Amino acid sequence: ETGVTQTPRHLVMGMTNKKSLKCEQHLGHNAMYWYKQSAKKPLELMFVYNFKEQTENNSVPSRFSPECPNSSHLFLHLHTLQPEDSALYLCASRQGHLNTEAFFGQGTRLTVV
Amino acid sequence: DQQVKQNSPSLSVQEGRISILNCDYTNSMFDYFLWYKKYPAEGPTFLISISSIKDKNEDGRFTVFLNKSAKHLSLHIVPSQPGDSAVYFCAATNPNTGNQFYFGTGTSLTVIP
Repeated sequence: ETGVTQTPRHLVMGMTNKKSLKCEQHLGHNAMYWYKQSAKKPLELMFVYNFKEQTENNSVPSRFSPECPNSSHLFLHLHTLQPEDSALYLCASRQGHLNTEAFFGQGTRLTVV
Repeated sequence: DQQVKQNSPSLSVQEGRISILNCDYTNSMFDYFLWYKKYPAEGPTFLISISSIKDKNEDGRFTVFLNKSAKHLSLHIVPSQPGDSAVYFCAATNPNTGNQFYFGTGTSLTVIP
């Protein structure tokens, strides 16, 4: 238990569906991240929020839309995904601007059919 | 362009022996390095870290060594235990992009009983 909770753990969705991934942390961290992990690839940073403001967007397609309503919650809204978007989506949080580790959630295993 | 590389996708070690996992990086601006451990269907968990002002950090059975001139770090696990079998990721941060972690592709360690 890292203190970062992701829901759902597993998600199967069709290419025309709209769904959302949720991440929650009550560690008092001010930076939150979305990462994508595909097979045989390094973790790919998608989005970074620092004090609820988006500070990084690593050329992620617009079919992925993040939302950070407060410093404890982070969402990733999904719509019209492609099968190649199937991956493990990981949320992490960290006390930003310090040399500290990031804490990861358990991830959401997404399958797009 | 991958800035953090783990060139060995897998490693097998006998129980009780030393496991050495290696990681190379290209960006000389990285100043903080981390190792994460990941079991299947779980998020990565933080293992150990090292700041660029040090060349060694030890925590129980785990020691991380940093060679800045070679842009190389390694994780030593001794003695290795079957429960250490997992995928190990190294990561690095750059103060100029302070919130972003750069991850390697991981090394799958198998400790044989």
